[in-house]
Amino acid sequence: DGGITQSPKYLFRKEGQNVTLSCEQNLNHDAMYWYRQDPGQGLRLIYYSQIVNDFQKGDIAEGYSVSREKKESFPLTVTSAQKNPTAFYLCASSLDRTGDNEQFFGPGTRLTVL
Amino acid sequence: AQKVTQAQTEISVVEKEDVTLDCVYETRDTTYYLFWYKQPPSGELVFLIRRNSFDEQNEISGRYSWNFQKSTSSFNFTITASQVVDSAVYFCALSEAGGSNYKLTFGKGTLLTVNP
Repeated sequence: DGGITQSPKYLFRKEGQNVTLSCEQNLNHDAMYWYRQDPGQGLRLIYYSQIVNDFQKGDIAEGYSVSREKKESFPLTVTSAQKNPTAFYLCASSLDRTGDNEQFFGPGTRLTVL
Repeated sequence: AQKVTQAQTEISVVEKEDVTLDCVYETRDTTYYLFWYKQPPSGELVFLIRRNSFDEQNEISGRYSWNFQKSTSSFNFTITASQVVDSAVYFCALSEAGGSNYKLTFGKGTLLTVNP
């Protein structure tokens, strides 16, 4: 089955710690994205990547970092610099970055800072 | 700048009722794409439909139908004979074809609750 996997499903972090969220896709998509969702809000773009070894900041990149060493993987690190990291994080991919391609989403990771 | 407004924060209906979810968008581009996604309680967003700005035909898929009207910048979603399994948050989204064409702008979503 093709799709996007994210792990873990739930993640707890102490303040001051960095944490990495995993995102893997086997759809052979070029573009991958990370979104943050807060209660009652839409999705906000953190980072996106259109090709291996390339990525761009989205609307709310401060306090986050990413890498794209492999086409199928796009991990997100939430650093201690992120002031309010508790949120639901969604990874997505699309065939390429053009606007007419729908994005497919993973099941999400719920991060809670204790 | 592109913007998507879903004015209905929450809607509650009884099973078998028809329900329409509103979506109004703003864009300066003449070529753009509109999407609807469903987010069930599990959290994963499920793609429902994509529509480009040059195709104003309404679309029907089973109990789902979409009404795209460029004159009013709206892309409304109707569920006919709603079922409990339709309970979810529904997001409308907009993507522009030019410039920063990576950007998918989401509305804040409408929480639909279908009661038995």
